[in-house]
Amino acid sequence: EPEVTQTPSHQVTQMGQEVILRCVPISNHLYFYWYRQILGQKVEFLVSFYNNEISEKSEIFDDQFSVERPDGSNFTLKIRSTKLEDSAMYFCASKTSGKSYEQYFGPGTRLTVT
Amino acid sequence: GENVEQHPSTLSVQEGDSAVIKCTYSDSASNYFPWYKQELGKRPQLIIDIRSNVGEKKDQRIAVTLNKTAKHFSLHITETQPEDSAVYFCAASTGSPHDKVIFGPGTSLSVIP
Repeated sequence: EPEVTQTPSHQVTQMGQEVILRCVPISNHLYFYWYRQILGQKVEFLVSFYNNEISEKSEIFDDQFSVERPDGSNFTLKIRSTKLEDSAMYFCASKTSGKSYEQYFGPGTRLTVT
Repeated sequence: GENVEQHPSTLSVQEGDSAVIKCTYSDSASNYFPWYKQELGKRPQLIIDIRSNVGEKKDQRIAVTLNKTAKHFSLHITETQPEDSAVYFCAASTGSPHDKVIFGPGTSLSVIP
């Protein structure tokens, strides 16, 4: 069964550094999402993406964040200047169409900012 | 925006007993209510979902109920097993093409053998 994949599984970076988290959504999916989960807390929506543009973003998704679909398979989340509070698990998700309800989650990237 | 509340935050049951988790939501436009199970360090895994055109759905030992008038929905797990131990999240979405899923704060379920 096709799955969403994410790389790396764990990323350690220093405060102020840029990081890029990578996701490969399921191949025929058209809608893409990033969520984050701070340790021990709930999953929070960051951004949704369709047709090469952002559909919606949350208050968390400020100017330090950006998303891109650089080719037909990858979907990336960039954090320009990481802060300690960006430490979290970041999940990518995708769904097949606008009529579909279920989002398929990737395994996550644990980001640790020191 | 949508806000999802969930109770209890922790739940401990004996193996074989039932577990019930309750959620409320605020946005009357929400019409899709998934439930996720998350084991430590893993992705949220969809275990069951319900849409607003039905009041109840069952899949083996798991059932969900929805009261749209009261904006309540619940997860029922019967004959609990130790492998049911995990964090469970309820969530809500309007189901529109771009819509995000809004998660509740989670319930940590422990099933004691």
